[in-house]
Amino acid sequence: DIQMTQSPSSLSTSIGDRVTITCQASQDIRSYLSWYQHKPGEAPKVLIYDASTLETGVTSRFSGSGFGTDFTFTISSLQPEDIATYYCQQYDNLPPTFGGGTKVEI
Amino acid sequence: HVQLQESGPGLVKPSETLSLICTVSGDSITSYYWSWLRQPPGERPEWIGYIHHSGSTNYNPSLRGRVSMSIDPSKNQFSLKLTSVTPADTALYYCARRKASPDYWGQGTLVTVSS
Repeated sequence: DIQMTQSPSSLSTSIGDRVTITCQASQDIRSYLSWYQHKPGEAPKVLIYDASTLETGVTSRFSGSGFGTDFTFTISSLQPEDIATYYCQQYDNLPPTFGGGTKVEI
Repeated sequence: HVQLQESGPGLVKPSETLSLICTVSGDSITSYYWSWLRQPPGERPEWIGYIHHSGSTNYNPSLRGRVSMSIDPSKNQFSLKLTSVTPADTALYYCARRKASPDYWGQGTLVTVSS
C-alpha cells in the first residue's frame, strides 16, 4: 500500500492566518490526490481533487499544489468555519490511502 | 442534492457479522461506483472497498475474506457485511459515492464490537 505522511498532525493558529499542510506519498502518485475537510458529526467534505482542482462550490480560500510525491494544501486566510481536521488521500493505486490528518485549532 | 445515510446495529458481538446498509437519495445508484470506508477511534480513515451496480467489486486486501458488498438498485441501496469481527473493527463506518476518490459521504455510523 502507498503510505501517506501528513504534517503537522495539529496546528494552533489565528483567524486571518495563512495555513499550510503538507502530504508526502511513499511513491509517485502523479496528481491523484484529494484533500478533505472533516468536522465532528458531519460527513467528510472533498475540497480539492487531482492535487489542485477546487471542488465545485468550495471557497477559493482553499488551494492545493504538488505532483509526484510532495503535495501542499493551503488556506489563504483562516476563517472560524475552517476549524476542522484535514486529510490528504491518494487514489493512484488501490487501495486508496489517507494521511494521518491535521487538526486545525485556534 | 446527493445524500447518503448509513444504517445498522451500533453494537456487534465479537465473532459475529457486522451488517450495514447505505441508502442513497438525489442520485441513481446505477450511475456511479459506491464505496465503504471506516475510521477507528484516533486513527486515519481506511478504505474498505467498492461496488458497481453490475456487481463488480473490489475489496481492501487487508479485509479480504471477511468483507462482502451487495447492491439493490430497486431500493437505491447498497450494503456491507464484515464477518468474524473483533474489537479492532470498532469504527465509524461511512458509505460514499465513487470508487477511489469519494465526493459525497454519509455522516457515518459508529459500530462498536464488544461482548
